[in-house]
Amino acid sequence: QKEVEQDPGPLSVPEGAIVSLNCTYSNSAFQYFMWYRQYSRKGPELLMYTYSSGNKEDGRFTAQVDKSSKYISLFIRDSQPSDSATYLCAMSEDTGGFKTIFGAGTRLFVKA
Amino acid sequence: GAVVSQHPSRVICKSGTSVKIECRSLDFQATTMFWYRQFPKQSLMLMATSNEGSKATYEQGVEKDKFLINHASLTLSTLTVTSAHPEDSSFYICSARDRSGNTEAFFGQGTRLTVV
Repeated sequence: QKEVEQDPGPLSVPEGAIVSLNCTYSNSAFQYFMWYRQYSRKGPELLMYTYSSGNKEDGRFTAQVDKSSKYISLFIRDSQPSDSATYLCAMSEDTGGFKTIFGAGTRLFVKA
Repeated sequence: GAVVSQHPSRVICKSGTSVKIECRSLDFQATTMFWYRQFPKQSLMLMATSNEGSKATYEQGVEKDKFLINHASLTLSTLTVTSAHPEDSSFYICSARDRSGNTEAFFGQGTRLTVV
């Protein structure tokens, strides 16, 4: 079993839709949870960063962490064609020397 | 925001030659840098962790003599692919953590290596 599971998609939605992206994990020691956006042939870009459980909102993006269920989500409201990219979840046990574990990434297509 | 510059973005080399990829933190000091490899439609595979002034820590299965990593300063880490083979063709990405140690917020643009 992988430490982090993420459905690779692809996920195709119409412009303006609410998008829900999810990851599950098995390591209860994870405390830092991140979402990255990666455009084709580019490096990942950090979108959201959450410590422990709870919600965090930034513009059209909302990240949720449910540590009891070992489940994290990223919601994108009013999706735009420019949101079309691969979204990677990532998590780590702590700062400093702990490795970041990435999900496989979900490819999202937002159709105009 | 903080920027990590990776160079070159694309490189084509002949089998048997070596290729050096640079990763620079432009406006912060990166005590730790990470090197990843990414195959098409797959996630990032950590190759090694590079700490300034010390030897890199390689992940299991990664040949340290083939993938030479040098982290000579707080703003520069290099990855050298030695005696490259076609199977080394891939997308290589670096990331950096700043002194506060908070997550890997900063990634380079990636380098697409093609070995012919």
